Amino acid sequence: DSGVTQTPKHLITATGQRVTLRCSPRSGDLSVYWYQQSLDQGLQFLIQYYNGEERAKGNILERFSAQQFPDLHSELNLSSLELGDSALYFCASSVGRVSYEQYFGPGTRLTVT
Amino acid sequence: AQKVTQAQTEISVVEKEDVTLDCVYETRDTTYYLFWYKQPPSGELVFLIRRNSFDEQNEISGRYSWNFQKSTSSFNFTITASQVVDSAVYFCALSEETQGGSEKLVFGKGTKLTVNP
Repeated sequence: DSGVTQTPKHLITATGQRVTLRCSPRSGDLSVYWYQQSLDQGLQFLIQYYNGEERAKGNILERFSAQQFPDLHSELNLSSLELGDSALYFCASSVGRVSYEQYFGPGTRLTVT
Repeated sequence: AQKVTQAQTEISVVEKEDVTLDCVYETRDTTYYLFWYKQPPSGELVFLIRRNSFDEQNEISGRYSWNFQKSTSSFNFTITASQVVDSAVYFCALSEETQGGSEKLVFGKGTKLTVNP
């Protein structure tokens, strides 16, 4: 158990809908990262927050957004969902902004039908 | 941009065999970090090791060992006396500095290891 929690574990929704994925980092970790894992793209970095502020953006679509709250938990919002958004979404946390190992949550499996 | 190549897509071995998973990386950074993660069938990503670019000493942890060679830009992972529980997808990753002064991980495509009894 990495100490990172993610809810829900599974999510099935229809195209065009909007969903919110939630992540609680390990106690003491200030950085939260979101990754998407799909069969064709592999593991891809989406976005990072550090102590409430956005720090880095990767291949995140405009239909996706995230935020980190004062209690350091983070939410990833996915809207206007398409079939291709079906994937495993991981949240990871680390102590600092750079050069630390990232500990991953169990992931949320999103299926868009 | 940073790149990580894991040329072996799938490896199958028999229990107790030694197996080496290859990882080759590309980076322009002088300081960087390399990682290995394990993804068992249950799906979670388990952190195994982090090495920085200045430390080329090999590392051993139980049946696991890592060989970092800067000259060949490789960071290979060896499992000695493999066990069925080692069956998983293994990912090599490289840190990449972002514009905001932070860091993200760039992952290879992974190597699926199957250890047969």
